[in-house]
Amino acid sequence: DIQMTQSPSSLSASVGDRVTITCQASQDIRNYLNWYQHKPGKAPKLLMYDASILEGGVPSRFSGSGSGTDFTFTISSLQPEDFATYYCQQYDNLPLTFGGGTKVQIK
Amino acid sequence: QAQLVESGGGVVQPERSLRLSCAASGFTFSSYGMHWVRQAPGKGLEWVAVTSYDGTRKHYGNSVMGRFTISRDNSKNTLYLQMNSLRPEDTAVYYCAKDRGASYFFYGMEVWGQGTTVIVSS
Repeated sequence: DIQMTQSPSSLSASVGDRVTITCQASQDIRNYLNWYQHKPGKAPKLLMYDASILEGGVPSRFSGSGSGTDFTFTISSLQPEDFATYYCQQYDNLPLTFGGGTKVQIK
Repeated sequence: QAQLVESGGGVVQPERSLRLSCAASGFTFSSYGMHWVRQAPGKGLEWVAVTSYDGTRKHYGNSVMGRFTISRDNSKNTLYLQMNSLRPEDTAVYYCAKDRGASYFFYGMEVWGQGTTVIVSS
């Protein structure tokens, strides 16, 4: 199985801050990576696929990059509605696997 | 607009069975792969199973293989998860989700339901 290592596991930031999350795959997954946002009690939401393509309706302050084993997810200017847990997930191989998540909290 | 509504969760004793359902609407259900994903209390997301659009291909996560069965009824726009030999570690919120693609390759979860809670306890 492909292991997805996400870091940090949590961070505290202020509105307006730039936030960066990294995700590392245990083997080459090309660009077959999704990013999700999950708020407590809500359905997870797909933000980005193919490592860098924004899902329709997702604000442009979200961006992603990377290929192979190393990926980055960035929020350029953190907004109040962005406080949530973010997950990367690979789809190069079954079983599909998620990173452990990054909880973005208010500083 | 695609919508998924899970049902069937509840409290069940260890070693017993439970069947979850997921009613789909707002898209051509029979054209898309469908997933089950779960989140145990205080833990992250864990992929459970997927079925192809036609139900001919099914794949499972290691922790549920041999105990859980995913199936679908395209005439009823409904996805199922039959869970047998349940364990306390199966306690979680279970989400159904629509795959982003319409083939035998699975691209991940594009649309998610709100989830149904399963508690395995004596």
